[in-house]
Amino acid sequence: LAKTTQPISMDSYEGQEVNITCSHNNIATNDYITWYQQFPSQGPRFIIQGYKTKVTNEVASLFIPADRKSSTLSLPRVSLSDTAVYYCLVGVTGGYQKVTFGTGTKLQVIP
Amino acid sequence: NAGVTQTPKFRVLKTGQSMTLLCAQDMNHEYMYWYRQDPGMGLRLIHYSVGEGTTAKGEVPDGYNVSRLKKQNFLLGLESAAPSQTSVYFCASRDTEKGRSNQPQHFGDGTRLSIL
Repeated sequence: LAKTTQPISMDSYEGQEVNITCSHNNIATNDYITWYQQFPSQGPRFIIQGYKTKVTNEVASLFIPADRKSSTLSLPRVSLSDTAVYYCLVGVTGGYQKVTFGTGTKLQVIP
Repeated sequence: NAGVTQTPKFRVLKTGQSMTLLCAQDMNHEYMYWYRQDPGMGLRLIHYSVGEGTTAKGEVPDGYNVSRLKKQNFLLGLESAAPSQTSVYFCASRDTEKGRSNQPQHFGDGTRLSIL
């Protein structure tokens, strides 16, 4: 299993861009990188997934360097409603569960 | 389309009591999972299922049993509840892979279980 390391917490002011970096030095060739968001009292929600280079959707962007040993989740112009815990997962999720959720990064957006 | 629905949302048990948590998904997903989440920790996998009639142990299976008699339902049972099982339980489901894509998990909103 590829182990991930991400900051425990981050603070940001409203309107700023937030970048959360995840390290996964032993990522395997077939591993994807997936980010989830979890609000209090709710289950995690899928945000974005990538394999290499850059992926963008309506919510976030995911930057993956060529060596794939890290990835950066970018949230543009955050608002108070983006306050949540963000999880970085690495693994091949076939029928057999091969990913684990770490403790995530708690993002606090400040007015 | 309700997605993943967990019942009940809250429950308080006494030590030694038994109960079953129900997870239902309406997305025709093959894979289903049960996790527990304790304060300040990530999610830990209890059991999972790769299809109707199949179950397998995850990271922390002791004290729990599961059944997947119907594709849309995944039940988590506690035969003799212990205070250490006080936690928030999340169910998730996932579609099978489509080509090279990697299907994400869809989660319910959790069951908060307290055992006194």
